[in-house]
Amino acid sequence: AQSVTQPDIHITVSEGASLELRCNYSYGATPYLFWYVQSPGQGLQLLLKYFSGDTLVQGIKGFEAEFKRSQSSFNLRKPSVHWSDAAEYFCAVGASDNAGNMLTFGGGTRLMVKP
Amino acid sequence: DAGVTQSPTHLIKTRGQQVTLRCSPKSGHDTVSWYQQALGQGPQFIFQYYEEEERQRGNFPDRFSGHQFPNYSSELNVNALLLGDSALYLCASSRGLASHEQFFGPGTRLTVL
Repeated sequence: AQSVTQPDIHITVSEGASLELRCNYSYGATPYLFWYVQSPGQGLQLLLKYFSGDTLVQGIKGFEAEFKRSQSSFNLRKPSVHWSDAAEYFCAVGASDNAGNMLTFGGGTRLMVKP
Repeated sequence: DAGVTQSPTHLIKTRGQQVTLRCSPKSGHDTVSWYQQALGQGPQFIFQYYEEEERQRGNFPDRFSGHQFPNYSSELNVNALLLGDSALYLCASSRGLASHEQFFGPGTRLTVL
């Protein structure tokens, strides 16, 4: 069974500082990996995804993530955080066996941005 | 181009009642998935519909059932509501079962009293 762990429940950073949100996954084959963002009372917006190829993927809003197979990690990074980035971030893994595209999510990391 | 839409936005029910939530997929999408997101947690997969059939199911009891219509829209039904069913219910759509790019709707907030 696939699983996702986001070790940090809350993270607070100052505006303009760099950010790294951690994500570890468990999956028997090559996974499909995603980062979503959720603002209060909203649905999920896809930030970026990794299917194959280059292990450093670029997303929207200046975010990037790096897939490290040896560490089973897919950490999200941003070089300079803006106040509008305050939200809940979810890492998710999808199966790559074409039986369906259900996603397994981590518990989320709530990001707070100090002025 | 409308994205994924869900109705209603909010719903309040009492224990033991039944509820139906509705979802219209993004234009061009034919696969609909439902997720339950309890407060402070990540979304959990309930089930997925494609070609009007349930294709995958998560670890949810039979009280949770669904349907997909010929126009690809979908309903989620929950019977015998429990307090623990209070959550945000998210619908996601994609183009086919093999597509791993899912688009999420804004969700329906269900409160069970």
